[in-house]
Amino acid sequence: QSVLTQPPSVSAAPGQKVTISCSGSSSNIGNNYVSWYQQLPGTAPKLLIYDNNKRPSGIPDRFSGSKSGTSATLGITGLQTGDEADYYCGTWDSSLSAWVFGTGTKVTVL
Amino acid sequence: QVQLVQSGAEVKKPGASVKVSCKASGYTFTSYGISWVRQAPGQGLEWMGWISAYNGNTNYAQKLQGRVTMTTDTSTSTAYMELRSLRSDDTAVYYCAREGISLHPPDPWGQGTLVTVSS
Repeated sequence: QSVLTQPPSVSAAPGQKVTISCSGSSSNIGNNYVSWYQQLPGTAPKLLIYDNNKRPSGIPDRFSGSKSGTSATLGITGLQTGDEADYYCGTWDSSLSAWVFGTGTKVTVL
Repeated sequence: QVQLVQSGAEVKKPGASVKVSCKASGYTFTSYGISWVRQAPGQGLEWMGWISAYNGNTNYAQKLQGRVTMTTDTSTSTAYMELRSLRSDDTAVYYCAREGISLHPPDPWGQGTLVTVSS
């Protein structure tokens, strides 16, 4: 049972923007950095965003992250067919002493 | 570049044990820990625990306490995850990843190892 809640799916046309929310609590998102992962079909997750809003080298600026209180958001602009994937938020939970992931969101490009 | 390469797929019977390996390269192995994350078919990601490659300290997910053991071999820069008393709901792809503890998100990840538990 994931402690971070995401919408099951979001969709938009090519070139449009989507946002994915991640809702948690004070023991996780509220007091720790949030990361976001992209999982293309049949592959391992790939880090897209860390420390709430930082992008690793090689990740295009079409991907952005933000955090407010106990929620975080991933934004994808200029949507491309190659962005069709599952996206997961993740963070440390200080009460559980465990890394926790969101429920996952499937992005569909219409 | 940092790379984690995992062992191949396994098929096990209920009640058996499985041991998955994860060989690291491209960085100083003992400077980072290794996490294990699993993903059941069609499901989300579940963090299983973390081991320090520096001193062997571990932090296991409460759900798996008593059934999982994580170890490292610093001479070969390899981490291992053993899961015992396998059940059908342990069928999943098992990933290793560098770190995945406290402030340090898991990154990068191994390619995954499919473990199938079936009679």
